[in-house]
Formats: sequence, structure tokens, C-alpha cells
Amino acid sequence: ETGVTQTPRHLVMGMTNKKSLKCEQHLGHNAMYWYKQSAKKPLELMFVYSLEERVENNSVPSRFSPECPNSSHLFLHLHTLQPEDSALYLCASSQFTGQGVGGYTFGSGTRLTVV
Amino acid sequence: GENVEQHPSTLSVQEGDSAVIKCTYSDSASNYFPWYKQELGKGPQLIIDIRSNVGEKKDQRIAVTLNKTAKHFSLHITETQPEDSAVYFCAASTNGDDKIIFGKGTRLHILP
Repeated sequence: ETGVTQTPRHLVMGMTNKKSLKCEQHLGHNAMYWYKQSAKKPLELMFVYSLEERVENNSVPSRFSPECPNSSHLFLHLHTLQPEDSALYLCASSQFTGQGVGGYTFGSGTRLTVV
Repeated sequence: GENVEQHPSTLSVQEGDSAVIKCTYSDSASNYFPWYKQELGKGPQLIIDIRSNVGEKKDQRIAVTLNKTAKHFSLHITETQPEDSAVYFCAASTNGDDKIIFGKGTRLHILP
């Protein structure tokens, strides 16, 4: 257990489904991230939330919608996904100060399969 | 923006030998360089990091070196063991930035 918990661990969904991934951190960190990990692009940054405000959206398709209701929770809402969206989705948290970010703590990821 | 290159993509070493993974970065303002280990079925875990005011850091069998002039940094694992088999990622971050840029990873195999 790293202090960052992701649920579910595995998810199979059809292209017309709507589902959500959940991430929770108990480390008191103020920044949270979503990464997509696939064979083609091992660690692809999707979204950055710093102090609950989305500060970066790396040209992610609108079928992925993030939500950060507070500094401890992060969601990724999924709808009308494509088979190429199948990947491991990793959440991470970090402590961001004016001098920059410290090391990330990652969750174990959600293995998503789109059928 | 920052770009991190990592080599090799795959590395096989005999148990007990040393392994070296090398990375380069492009942004001279980068000042924080963490290394992550990812085992099967798990997320990446921070194993060691170094800041730009230090040239070398060691923690038991792992060490990291940084050459700011050449913008190179490397991970050294000595006396490798089967449990060292994993994917290793280098990364870089710039002062004041709120994210880390990762290399593409090195799959390390420890051969019996």
C-alpha cells in the first residue's frame, strides 16, 4: 500500500458505457495526476491538478473527463471510449511548492479494457 | 519543453553483475531527477532521486550520478538480484514546475 489507492483494479467496458475511475490519497499532497500507460507511450501525462485546480490538460480527448472535488480525491470519468483507449491508468500525487514538485507516489493503477 | 531520453530500452545482466541505465535531458533548468521502479502489476515506485546541487547519491546497492554540463544522469545497480527485474524509469523536473517528465523506460532482466 503506497498511500494512493485506485479503484477498480480492473475494468472491462463496452464502447457505449459510462464508467468512472477513482483515486484517493492519504499523504496530504496538494497535486494529483492522471497518467495513461500503454506499450506505445509508457507514461503519458493526461491531467494535472494542483490545489484542486486543473492546471494542465495534455490534449486529451473529451471522452475522458477528470474531476477533483478535493485535494484527496481524483476521478476520471469515461464515456464512449475506443478500443485504443485500453491501457493501464495510473494516478499519482505529489507535494508541489513554489520550488517545484517532489517525487510522485503512484497508485497501482486501473487496467482498462474497452471491448 | 523538457524531453528525457532513456537507454537502453531492454537490458539483460547476469545475477551478481552490475546494471547501468542512462538518461539525457534537454532543459538546462531541470533540477530534480527521480528514478522509478515498476514491478509487474504495480504502479511505479520511487527508488532514488537526486537534485542538481549534488553529483552523486548512493543508497545501498543503487546509486545515481548527475553530470549537469552534459545533461546526463545514470542509475547504477550493483550485485544485481532476481528481485531487481522490473521496468525502470528516469525522470526530470524543472524548478517551479508542477510535473515530472518521464523517459520511456528500461526493462531490466536479471539472468540466473
